[in-house]
Amino acid sequence: QSALTQPASVSGSPGQSITISCTGTSSDVGGYNYVSWYQQHPGKAPKLMIYDVTNRPPGVSNRFSGSKSGNTASLTISGLQAEDEADYSCSSFTSSTNFVVFGGGTKLTVL
Amino acid sequence: QVQLVQSGAEVKRPGASVKVSCKASGSIFTDYYFHWARQAPGQGLEWLGRIIIKSGDAGYEQKFEGRVTMTRDTSINTVYMELGSLTPDDTAVYYCARDGGNFDFDYWGQGTLVTVSS
Repeated sequence: QSALTQPASVSGSPGQSITISCTGTSSDVGGYNYVSWYQQHPGKAPKLMIYDVTNRPPGVSNRFSGSKSGNTASLTISGLQAEDEADYSCSSFTSSTNFVVFGGGTKLTVL
Repeated sequence: QVQLVQSGAEVKRPGASVKVSCKASGSIFTDYYFHWARQAPGQGLEWLGRIIIKSGDAGYEQKFEGRVTMTRDTSINTVYMELGSLTPDDTAVYYCARDGGNFDFDYWGQGTLVTVSS
């Protein structure tokens, strides 16, 4: 099962907004609203930031938002802060296996 | 407060097996599914499989079929992942995670580094 496609890196300055894309197929991202996003700081476990495409778990800043158009899901971070610098990964349910597939991860650098 | 605590780092020879544990606390263990994923050095996350705690039924990523086994012990709120026929390519941090409902992983263990080297 191929991984979902994410850009290797994105960057932005404090206060700016950035968007990370996650491209799949109609068998995963495009076909179901079961896309999640995870933040991972170096040496730490992933942390759930967005689930079911657009929902934020309790305690996650409203600067983080999710959306989807066709086979591409997106994570937008507004008002960038230094602490947002981390790796971000997407995942989706896939009907190819009835399980889960991850994206390759995107490194966010806050300039 | 939900916590997942994994067993410690392991060093294994090629061809050996490794068994990693993940002890859950703070929630009703049998109500959930648990997943295992891994992350090789400098790489992205890779999903290994999932176990349904109530039934013990497990499903695996096809590339790991025949080499991975996931089990649970409900008396001690612990899930296990055993991976056999290890090669250096299996060197990675292995994570357990709780499924929040729709294949979203709302709680993660701290990770277990498995190093495979001769």
